[in-house]
Order: sequence, then structure tokens, then C-alpha cells
Amino acid sequence: AAGVIQSPRHLIKEKRETATLKCYPIPRHDTVYWYQQGPGQDPQFLISFYEKMQSDKGSIPDRFSAQQFSDYHSELNMSSLELGDSALYFCASSLGRGIYGYTFGSGTRLTVV
Amino acid sequence: DQQVKQNSPSLSVQEGRISILNCDYTNSMFDYFLWYKKYPAEGPTFLISISSIKDKNEDGRFTVFLNKSAKHLSLHIVPSQPGDSAVYFCAASGPSNTGKLIFGQGTTLQVKP
Repeated sequence: AAGVIQSPRHLIKEKRETATLKCYPIPRHDTVYWYQQGPGQDPQFLISFYEKMQSDKGSIPDRFSAQQFSDYHSELNMSSLELGDSALYFCASSLGRGIYGYTFGSGTRLTVV
Repeated sequence: DQQVKQNSPSLSVQEGRISILNCDYTNSMFDYFLWYKKYPAEGPTFLISISSIKDKNEDGRFTVFLNKSAKHLSLHIVPSQPGDSAVYFCAASGPSNTGKLIFGQGTTLQVKP
């Protein structure tokens, strides 16, 4: 079965650079969620989209933005990167704004040097 | 403000015995609880969930118990197997109905052969 695809798997950026993370949800899933997991931390909700509209917003820095496109894939744009942005970034998708079929991708490991 | 808490960072059990992982929450409006298993550098994998209207849900070797009055849930794994060794996250959903999950800090389970 198709899963949630995240790219790239690994990304190394320098401070103050920009990074773009991509997430391709399971086919027919219309909701995408982004989470950030710092070293030794629990995953923290960043933002979610339902039917291409922002659905909920968590502790996402103003330097970050995200959107969901017409094909339901989503991109997380991160600017003016800081060392503290180094983390695993997970995307999840579901059908509808609930927990039905809620599935996580394998994550993107972002390292800021 | 940690709304979902897993107070035991680690647990070690012998193969074949029962593993009990605990989770406490503070928000009585949470209406769905989920357990995820996570290996390093991979996304969380869904294990089992329970609605707030139930007090028990069972799936094979995994059983989740919910005590709403105590705001406590537990995951029982019987019998434990070495392949169960991983980090286990408890997560809660609601009441915003946007699918946003609030995670606990995780418990590292080690099952010894």
C-alpha cells in the first residue's frame, strides 16, 4: 500500500539559509499535518491543511510557512535557518480532519550547521 | 505545558512477559487516544487507538486501557517480543477536531531475549 512520502530524507543547510521540505500524502487523503521532533523531544505539531486550506496551527515559527497544493502534496518552507531548527520533520496524512487513516511519513532529518 | 505525559522514559522487560506502558493526560476534552511505535530515523507507526467512550480496546498482543476519571491510559503488550523494542509514544486528539495530535515524551521499551 502507498504510504506518505517525504523528501528529502536528509538535508544539511547552513545558518540563515532556506530549506523546503515536501510531503506527498497517501492517495485520496485530503489532510496533511507537519510535526517537528527535536533531539530527545516528543513530536510537536506545527501546522495542518485540509482541502488546501490551513486547518490548524501550532508552534510554528514565523520564519516557517507551508501550503497544500491542488494535488494535495504539501511543502514546508523554512527561512533564516537557525541551529535550533535541526530536527526530524514528520508529515502525516489522513482522510478528513480526523484520525481516520492517520499515517506518518518516514521524516526529513534537517541539520543546520 | 505538557498535556500528555509519559513519566517513564524507559522500560526493560524479559521476552514473553508483559510490558505495561503508561500515559497520563490533563485535558479532559481529549476524545481519542493513540499509541505509536517509533524506530530511530523512522516515522511513528500506528499501533492501537481508543475512543474516549470506551475503556478497553484490544488488537492481538496489544491492549489499551483508558481510565477517564484518572485521566490515565496504558498499553499492555503480551507476550513481549524482542522486536517490540522501540520508543512508544502516547498521543491524544481533540477537542478541536482538526486531527492535531498531542504527543507524550515517549517511553523506550527494551525487550530482552
